[in-house]
Amino acid sequence: AQKVTQAQTEISVVEKEDVTLDCVYETRDTTYYLFWYKQPPSGELVFLIRRNSFDEQNEISGRYSWNFQKSTSSFNFTITASQVVDSAVYFCALSAYTTSGTYKYIFGTGTRLKVLA
Amino acid sequence: GAVVSQHPSRVICKSGTSVKIECRSLDFQATTMFWYRQFPKQSLMLMATSNEGSKATYEQGVEKDKFLINHASLTLSTLTVTSAHPEDSSFYICSARPSGGAKEAGELFFGEGSRLTVL
Repeated sequence: AQKVTQAQTEISVVEKEDVTLDCVYETRDTTYYLFWYKQPPSGELVFLIRRNSFDEQNEISGRYSWNFQKSTSSFNFTITASQVVDSAVYFCALSAYTTSGTYKYIFGTGTRLKVLA
Repeated sequence: GAVVSQHPSRVICKSGTSVKIECRSLDFQATTMFWYRQFPKQSLMLMATSNEGSKATYEQGVEKDKFLINHASLTLSTLTVTSAHPEDSSFYICSARPSGGAKEAGELFFGEGSRLTVL
């Protein structure tokens, strides 16, 4: 079964704190892709990162960093020195193969991050 | 970056009427587009996969006669909610994946979403 679990429903931190959003996935595919998207209050989803299953290197982009560990099927997202503008819902997603020969994207339930000034 | 435009962003309609939502990829071609529905404070639920020039593929439990999808060109997909009822009120989001390349590799670009309210 293909599944993405984001166990943290809501997280509140004070500005400048570091925060890690967890993502655990399940798939039988050997080739797959993982994504993180940000959904601010306006509703539009903003792409943050894509990672393929063969690349376990951690990635850093400014205050954002991602830790991909196949051994634990996790793809966690850390925001360093959080800011109020980081407040949003963050979704982890898995690109999964379907029996019809196409790929579809499965989203986790999202983690609502609130950064307090 | 790639842009997907969705229109209208907000629509209010009376029960029993039909509403059409458009999803356009502005600077790339998209053989495949996806339609999602999002309830308040919940995740995105995939409704259907829209394929250019062919019938859409609906997810289990989604009524294809209720949610009509047309993908007439490589840059436009439409979702029509027919005979809308209050329970159809929701946030509908489309996404598109640029054509070409490994299918699983493409990131999805999302529209701004359309908030439908059925009175």
